[in-house]
Amino acid sequence: NAGVTQTPKFQVLKTGQSMTLQCAQDMNHNSMYWYRQDPGMGLRLIYYSASEGTTDKGEVPNGYNVSRLNKREFSLRLESAAPSQTSVYFCASSTQGYNQPQHFGDGTRLSIL
Amino acid sequence: AQKITQTQPGMFVQEKEAVTLDCTYDTSDPSYGLFWYKQPSSGEMIFLIYQGSYDQQNATEGRYSLNFQKARKSANLVISASQLGDSAMYFCAMREAAYNFNKFYFGSGTKLNVKP
Repeated sequence: NAGVTQTPKFQVLKTGQSMTLQCAQDMNHNSMYWYRQDPGMGLRLIYYSASEGTTDKGEVPNGYNVSRLNKREFSLRLESAAPSQTSVYFCASSTQGYNQPQHFGDGTRLSIL
Repeated sequence: AQKITQTQPGMFVQEKEAVTLDCTYDTSDPSYGLFWYKQPSSGEMIFLIYQGSYDQQNATEGRYSLNFQKARKSANLVISASQLGDSAMYFCAMREAAYNFNKFYFGSGTKLNVKP
């Protein structure tokens, strides 16, 4: 009963390094999302994908790229990590319909030194 | 304008008492869904309860209920008989049917502390 799986759970990077966060869901959901959550704050949408083959920017897309590899997988890439990108990153998925909730992964804690 | 507003950054409640967490929303879409999530200190986001804009009755899920006042555009979460394990951040969210129907709008959250 996996749901939404994120890897890795923790990562420490140096400024300027690149990294890809992986996300996979096994619920056959069309839509997938990447959020960041800074300490004591709410969620901010980075990118989302309404369906396989489409991606759209959210509130805070700068410094990130995404790939919707297939229906199951949605990855988030930091090309040149900056300390301001230190955060907890959540992947989520949802099926169509305004009455359908998002299902979240457990998050990736990313620290950039 | 903010789509979701949670005006209580932090709240305390005595164990076994009821508590209400406020949420107001802003939309011109007649069809929308409202969701509450719990985020304990371990960090995961747990879906608690859903209310649809056309629902005639307030949603309930165990000790959680939603006080839905459509005219006031409010969807307050009520937790009855609070337990220590209810200490967490709580987020209100909305999804619209027509406008940006794939996006969810989240409030800034309320941190609830349950005192023994």
